[in-house]
Amino acid sequence: KNQVEQSPQSLIILEGKNCTLQCNYTVSPFSNLRWYKQDTGRGPVSLTIMTFSENTKSNGRYTATLDADTKQSSLHITASQLSDSASYICVVSGGAGSYQLTFGKGTKLSVIP
Amino acid sequence: GAVVSQHPSWVICKSGTSVKIECRSLDFQATTMFWYRQFPKQSLMLMATSNEGSKATYEQGVEKDKFLINHASLTLSTLTVTSAHPEDSSFYICSARDRIKVSSRTEAFFGQGTRLTVV
Repeated sequence: KNQVEQSPQSLIILEGKNCTLQCNYTVSPFSNLRWYKQDTGRGPVSLTIMTFSENTKSNGRYTATLDADTKQSSLHITASQLSDSASYICVVSGGAGSYQLTFGKGTKLSVIP
Repeated sequence: GAVVSQHPSWVICKSGTSVKIECRSLDFQATTMFWYRQFPKQSLMLMATSNEGSKATYEQGVEKDKFLINHASLTLSTLTVTSAHPEDSSFYICSARDRIKVSSRTEAFFGQGTRLTVV
């Protein structure tokens, strides 16, 4: 069964600090892995997309890593800001030509002053 | 980036009435759109895949007669929740892929979501 597990479920950090969110998946065959940011009551917004051959990708203060061998990904946020408070969702797409997306439950990040 | 507009952003309706939610791709054509439902503290759950000019494909457990999907053009899909009940209260989100740039890597663009509350 295709699954995406994220940890931690929730996280509180001080403004300016760094944090790392984890994603483990069992989706097979693997096509790509995406990280989305979802503000409360809003639709998800894409942060990064990585294929099998990419092991790191950055988007501003967001850096995602992918280890396709261990089926793990992480999202690192540096110098956090209050506006980073949101849910971060790991989504794995399976199969070449397939658009089956498996969603993680997300990590709810709260950045406090 | 590409924009997907969803309307309304929130709606409150009485039990037994029907509610229509619109999803539009504003600057690209989308052969396929997707409808999701998200309950509090849960991940997005795919309800159905909407194909332009043909019938929607529903996920197991989703009542096609209750959640009517119409995809009449390459830029518009609608989801109608018929005879809504309080248990249908949820956050509904659509997404779309660019028809021209379709590949397994193609980014999915999401609408802003619709908060449905049935009283």
